[in-house]
Amino acid sequence: QQQVKQSPQSLIVQKGGISIINCAYENTAFDYFPWYQQFPGKGPALLIAIRPDVSEKKEGRFTISFNKSAKQFSLHIMDSQPGDSATYFCAASPSDGTDKLIFGTGTRLQVFP
Amino acid sequence: NAGVTQTPKFRVLKTGQSMTLLCAQDMNHEYMYWYRQDPGMGLRLIHYSVGEGTTAKGEVPDGYNVSRLKKQNFLLGLESAAPSQTSVYFCASTQRRARDTEAFFGQGTRLTVV
Repeated sequence: QQQVKQSPQSLIVQKGGISIINCAYENTAFDYFPWYQQFPGKGPALLIAIRPDVSEKKEGRFTISFNKSAKQFSLHIMDSQPGDSATYFCAASPSDGTDKLIFGTGTRLQVFP
Repeated sequence: NAGVTQTPKFRVLKTGQSMTLLCAQDMNHEYMYWYRQDPGMGLRLIHYSVGEGTTAKGEVPDGYNVSRLKKQNFLLGLESAAPSQTSVYFCASTQRRARDTEAFFGQGTRLTVV
């Protein structure tokens, strides 16, 4: 069963706009929340990550917001560019010590000029 | 900088055939993972390894076997391929546990079972 739910499945944004992708988890405690970016024909690559002891992390135009009580976290891409067009995956790692990442279903982002 | 290399990149199998996917990493990472990626399903963990000689089941292990005889290599085997195993397969490696560090992915193997 999918323990990390991601939305939307696809997103179309105009250049310069804000892209927002949301993820939520339930029933399981997680303590590491990375976001991965995947371009067509390539493997995913780490974009940015956050731990639950902080509510927000910013790296350039990319910001993760984390709401521990709501069990939700989101990725905001400011000033979206055509080069940001890719599939984005949120992920979470259980805090029970198991050695794995649970991925969301992915969001295909298209940024038009 | 090779990173994580997957072989082959593409393959077409007939139902019932067997094959082995090879993943090689040159970063001296302890942990290695095999995922499958399907439309609308994201990345699902098949098997993983926390060190040479160890393997463990992930979310969707049925129909697959793995081996980690050498630290740098992680093999994924399909003994009797089925159309449901048509997918893109990704190998990944991490220096430490996935919850502590970045995962590095290969470029994927697109497998079609007819």
